[in-house]
Amino acid sequence: QKEVEQNSGPLSVPEGAIASLNCTYSDRGSQSFFWYRQYSGKSPELIMFIYSNGDKEDGRFTAQLNKASQYVSLLIRDSQPSDSATYLCAVNTGFQKLVFGTGTRLLVSP
Amino acid sequence: GAVVSQHPSWVICKSGTSVKIECRSLDFQATTMFWYRQFPKQSLMLMATSNEGSKATYEQGVEKDKFLINHASLTLSTLTVTSAHPEDSSFYICSARGWREPETQYFGPGTRLLVL
Repeated sequence: QKEVEQNSGPLSVPEGAIASLNCTYSDRGSQSFFWYRQYSGKSPELIMFIYSNGDKEDGRFTAQLNKASQYVSLLIRDSQPSDSATYLCAVNTGFQKLVFGTGTRLLVSP
Repeated sequence: GAVVSQHPSWVICKSGTSVKIECRSLDFQATTMFWYRQFPKQSLMLMATSNEGSKATYEQGVEKDKFLINHASLTLSTLTVTSAHPEDSSFYICSARGWREPETQYFGPGTRLLVL
């Protein structure tokens, strides 16, 4: 089993809708979780991160953690075509490194 | 804050030559820097982790003699691809983290290497 798993997509949503992206992780002891956005041909850009003590909202983005089921989700409200990108979930393993999922490609259609 | 730069952004070289890529943290001191490689339509692959002033820790399967990493200061790490071959053509991305946010990695813009 991979340490961090994401559906590769593409996830297609119409403009203005809520996009819901999920990832599951295997290490129950993980304490911090990150979402990065990567546009085609560019490097990853940090969107937000959460710790195991709660959810977080930042503008149109909300990150939620379900520790019991070991998954993290990213909700994007009022999706825009400019949100079309690959979203990478990353989990801190406790050994300095982040373990990245393979990413979910999001397509927001006008 | 948390800006990371890389230089060069693009490099084309002949097979057999060596290429040096620089990664700098511009507005914070990077206690740790990471080097990743990404092939087209694939995920990030961590190559090595480097802490300032100490030797880099390479991931399994990454040749340390081919990919030389130097983390000489708290704001600069370099990756040298020695005797580059066409199969080394890839997108090389560094990331850095500092003591203020010890778990968060900020990525540089990446360096695209093409070996002819």
